[in-house]
Amino acid sequence: DSGVTQTPKHLITATGQRVTLRCSPRSGDLSVYWYQQSLDQGLQFLIQYYNGEERAKGNILERFSAQQFPDLHSELNLSSLELGDSALYFCASSGGTSGGPTDTQYFGPGTRLTVL
Amino acid sequence: KNEVEQSPQNLTAQEGEFITINCSYSVGISALHWLQQHPGGGIVSLFMLSSGKKKHGRLIATINIQEKHSSLHITASHPRDSAVYICAAPEVGGSQGNLIFGKGTKLSVKP
Repeated sequence: DSGVTQTPKHLITATGQRVTLRCSPRSGDLSVYWYQQSLDQGLQFLIQYYNGEERAKGNILERFSAQQFPDLHSELNLSSLELGDSALYFCASSGGTSGGPTDTQYFGPGTRLTVL
Repeated sequence: KNEVEQSPQNLTAQEGEFITINCSYSVGISALHWLQQHPGGGIVSLFMLSSGKKKHGRLIATINIQEKHSSLHITASHPRDSAVYICAAPEVGGSQGNLIFGKGTKLSVKP
């Protein structure tokens, strides 16, 4: 158990809908990262937050947005869903003081999103 | 932008064999990460390497900064080692923690 929790575990929805994925980092970790894993693309970085501020942005679509709240939990919002958005979405957290590349990241169990 | 290549893509071994998985990256980095993804999907961070070698149980990770290459070794492999092993490097040019991932090596260890 990494100490990172994600809800829900599974989500099935229809095209055009909007969903929210939730992540609670390990206690005290300031950085939260969101990743998408699809069958054809592998793991891809979406976005990083550090202590409530956006720190880095990857290949995140404009239909997707995220935020980190004062209690450090984070939410990833996916809207106008398409079939191609079906994937595993992981969040990870790290406790380093810089939120940088040498921090070990602890992964949550993932949310499996299926868009029908 | 860093590019991360792993080999082999698939690996089948007999229990007890010594296993090596390779990872190369295109641009100099401050650290390289090795991850393990279980058949159920969960991801565990195995190592974060800045230089030299790290060992944890039967797992050994090495990195050669000059050659931009890292290896993950498993000694006395066991069926429970069956998983996908992924290396990841930081995206170059920033101090952020975002990682670029290799496509993974799917390891199957037969009893």
